[in-house]
Amino acid sequence: GQNIDQPTEMTATEGAIVQINCTYQTSGFNGLFWYQQHAGEAPTFLSYNVLDGLEEKGRFSSFLSRSKGYSYLLLKELQMKDSASYLCAVRDGSGGYQKVTFGTGTKLQVIP
Amino acid sequence: SAVISQKPSRDICQRGTSLTIQCQVDSQVTMMFWYRQQPGQSLTLIATANQGSEATYESGFVIDKFPISRPNLTFSTLTVSNMSPEDSSIYLCSVEASYEQYFGPGTRLTVT
Repeated sequence: GQNIDQPTEMTATEGAIVQINCTYQTSGFNGLFWYQQHAGEAPTFLSYNVLDGLEEKGRFSSFLSRSKGYSYLLLKELQMKDSASYLCAVRDGSGGYQKVTFGTGTKLQVIP
Repeated sequence: SAVISQKPSRDICQRGTSLTIQCQVDSQVTMMFWYRQQPGQSLTLIATANQGSEATYESGFVIDKFPISRPNLTFSTLTVSNMSPEDSSIYLCSVEASYEQYFGPGTRLTVT
């Protein structure tokens, strides 16, 4: 099975930087995703990491350490519209097929 | 990328009845996934649907309650059978394309 942990809630100030951590345990790791989900909407893809290191995409960056079972999502120059839930999800291929399991999500509130 | 549509977008149903949710993708995909997202919670995988074979259900979900059809590579249906108020949730269809996972807009189900 899989176990994915991330903080429940975070608050950060507009213009600042925030880091959302995710730890996971899985037997057949095959990639980690970050999604953004605004209230009442479907999740939208932010990033995908399968190798160790940092992936940068505009204001958003995602980091992965497979040996530590750890990832983080870094949001720079925070904007009010970044207030949303951020979901960490891990793909596991150990069951004979690829399955993506989601963490409980981190609700980020950006304040002025 | 993949564009996914779902019907209906929302419905209010009486307990004991069944509802079939349709998912249509604009490209051919091998696997389609059905998730449930209960209020304030993250996504839970119900089952994985491959074309031409029976769906694979996750722990806690059974075919009698959530029968799935996958008649071709662009379409799937999920039926929520013999509904109870505990089935009130958002049901999301998802596909994977180029290592990214895309979600449909969701079907918001309320059971009274």
